[in-house]
Amino acid sequence: DAGITQSPRHKVTETGTPVTLRCHQTENHRYMYWYRQDPGHGLRLIHYSYGVKDTDKGEVSDGYSVSRSKTEDFLLTLESATSSQTSVYFCAIGPVTYEQYFGPGTRLTVT
Amino acid sequence: LAKTTQPISMDSYEGQEVNITCSHNNIATNDYITWYQQFPSQGPRFIIQGYKTKVTNEVASLFIPADRKSSTLSLPRVSLSDTAVYYCLVGDFSGGYNKLIFGAGTRLAVHP
Repeated sequence: DAGITQSPRHKVTETGTPVTLRCHQTENHRYMYWYRQDPGHGLRLIHYSYGVKDTDKGEVSDGYSVSRSKTEDFLLTLESATSSQTSVYFCAIGPVTYEQYFGPGTRLTVT
Repeated sequence: LAKTTQPISMDSYEGQEVNITCSHNNIATNDYITWYQQFPSQGPRFIIQGYKTKVTNEVASLFIPADRKSSTLSLPRVSLSDTAVYYCLVGDFSGGYNKLIFGAGTRLAVHP
């Protein structure tokens, strides 16, 4: 779907460990995004990128960092995972800001 | 971004037309209306976008009255596979970055 993959798809980790999630696209879209989705909160934007090495914070960026060294890859890092970061993480890509294509999601559990 | 209000849930039956209305009373001149669909355990999927009057694609139609204070997503002859959450988003995406804000959406259940 829309040439976007996420890895890993599932991960269980312990509190305090670093975690990196990868988003890879084959569509050459300019925009890439990381969201998290939790029951009762809907989808919330963590970080986004509008070009290689161009990133900015979303509404829930504390505890997360991102990097985009190539057009096709957007990495989300949890420097020291906490239980509050247990969530489903979605990456999205898009040629313009209103039209986004979402990946399959990564289910992260922090114990 | 303009705040939107849509029903929390709706029920329908296979073969019926479903209309989901979204209210956005404080929509700005440059704002566009965008709808997304999300199936369980999947990311949202872009359905349609419009500014005024009517827009139609292979999936749905979007009706926007002249005052633009509301919009209606119309799904013709729904099937069980249309069971999903539908999100209405409003914002100025004409220039620069403008983030999407997903509210609670409308949970549509299609019954046999």
